Amino acid sequence: DQQVKQNSPSLSVQEGRISILNCDYTNSMFDYFLWYKKYPAEGPTFLISISSIKDKNEDGRFTVFLNKSAKHLSLHIVPSQPGDSAVYFCAASARETSGSRLTFGEGTQLTVNP
Amino acid sequence: DADVTQTPRNRITKTGKRIMLECSQTKGHDRMYWYRQDPGLGLQLIYYSFDVKDINKGEISDGYSVSRQAQAKFSLSLESAIPNQTALYFCATSEPGRTGNEQFFGPGTRLTVL
Repeated sequence: DQQVKQNSPSLSVQEGRISILNCDYTNSMFDYFLWYKKYPAEGPTFLISISSIKDKNEDGRFTVFLNKSAKHLSLHIVPSQPGDSAVYFCAASARETSGSRLTFGEGTQLTVNP
Repeated sequence: DADVTQTPRNRITKTGKRIMLECSQTKGHDRMYWYRQDPGLGLQLIYYSFDVKDINKGEISDGYSVSRQAQAKFSLSLESAIPNQTALYFCATSEPGRTGNEQFFGPGTRLTVL
């Protein structure tokens, strides 16, 4: 039972354009969502997060949007840069019931072409 | 210096061997986690520990055991390794009171079981 799903295994965009990575979840108890970025031979690193009381959080070129009714979140990267090429993981937590445990999606490989 | 370190970084072993993967952290966090990453499956939680006396099973704990020797050290053991335990293994830490639900990951251990 995959509670967090990233349906696109890969995404390719041109440098300077927008990258949109999508994530869907099924557990209505999830109330906090995070995006991680992973380069080869490194561990995942935290990118941006959003609480369920918000519908948008922005940090520089990165914006996360949350649509609770659709149980969907997305990560927008504008403008995309070649250094953004990495695997992006969506993660969710249900802080009331599971504390700090995170449930991860499968990941999306983003390639930004120069 | 890295805040979360894992040893070894790479290990090749044979079926039936006992293997220990070690994780150390200098972040002073109470909570530590072990994940495995398989292609197309994202990160799956194996075990987690909220303090030295608290050990909990995650989603896929069968075939694994852990030891929390100190606040800074959390080891993962494969008592009798099998080929389908070939994967990338990540250790992570968190301290929700200070850093929200963000988890901080080590660089990973690539384990191959022949």
